[in-house]
Amino acid sequence: QVQLQESGPGLVKPSETLSLTCIVSGVSISGYYWNWIRQPPGKGLEWIGYIYYNGSTNYNPSLKSRVTISLDSSRNQFSLKLSSVTAADTAVYYCVRGESFGVWGQGTLVTVSS
Amino acid sequence: DIQMTQSPSSLSASVGDRVTITCRASQGIRNDLGWFQQKPGKAPKRLIYAASTLQSGVPSRFSGSGSGTEFTLTISSLQPEDFATYYCLQHNSYRTFGQGTKVEIK
Repeated sequence: QVQLQESGPGLVKPSETLSLTCIVSGVSISGYYWNWIRQPPGKGLEWIGYIYYNGSTNYNPSLKSRVTISLDSSRNQFSLKLSSVTAADTAVYYCVRGESFGVWGQGTLVTVSS
Repeated sequence: DIQMTQSPSSLSASVGDRVTITCRASQGIRNDLGWFQQKPGKAPKRLIYAASTLQSGVPSRFSGSGSGTEFTLTISSLQPEDFATYYCLQHNSYRTFGQGTKVEIK
């Protein structure tokens, strides 16, 4: 059974870098697209970007200048870094497998506040 | 960038009703579209992929249709557990979600 679990700080200060990791179990990280999605409280879903198992990445143009997604095959996990955060980056962050988002993590709330 | 226009943004319906939600893409996306259901406090769940293929384990009252720029999610007979918010997603170029449709009890 494929499972994805987000981990990382729940509180980040403005102007700092948000860092999250998605731990993948039940399947090798090789051979799939791995995405990050976010959802501000009470709002809709926003795609942040993906990394393919070969290391190639693609980011939402609106966030591209601040986003880095990386992959660690040895640990079967992938990560998100979002720099220069503001209150507008407060959201539930999801890690998701696949080109068409077939498997989701449970999500983790990250609040940006001093 | 491809924009996805989803309608309606909300609807009220009764158990047993037939419900239709539409997504329109700003340019052709072949059948690179999925539909998702989200309940409060939970992660979204994929219902349909490739525009019309039912995800394993999803009830057959859910169906998807369309290709190119116009897509539809239909719930043939609304059940109590179907009250939720629904999103479309295109994955033809980058990834873009529709704005969501909240299905409420009438």
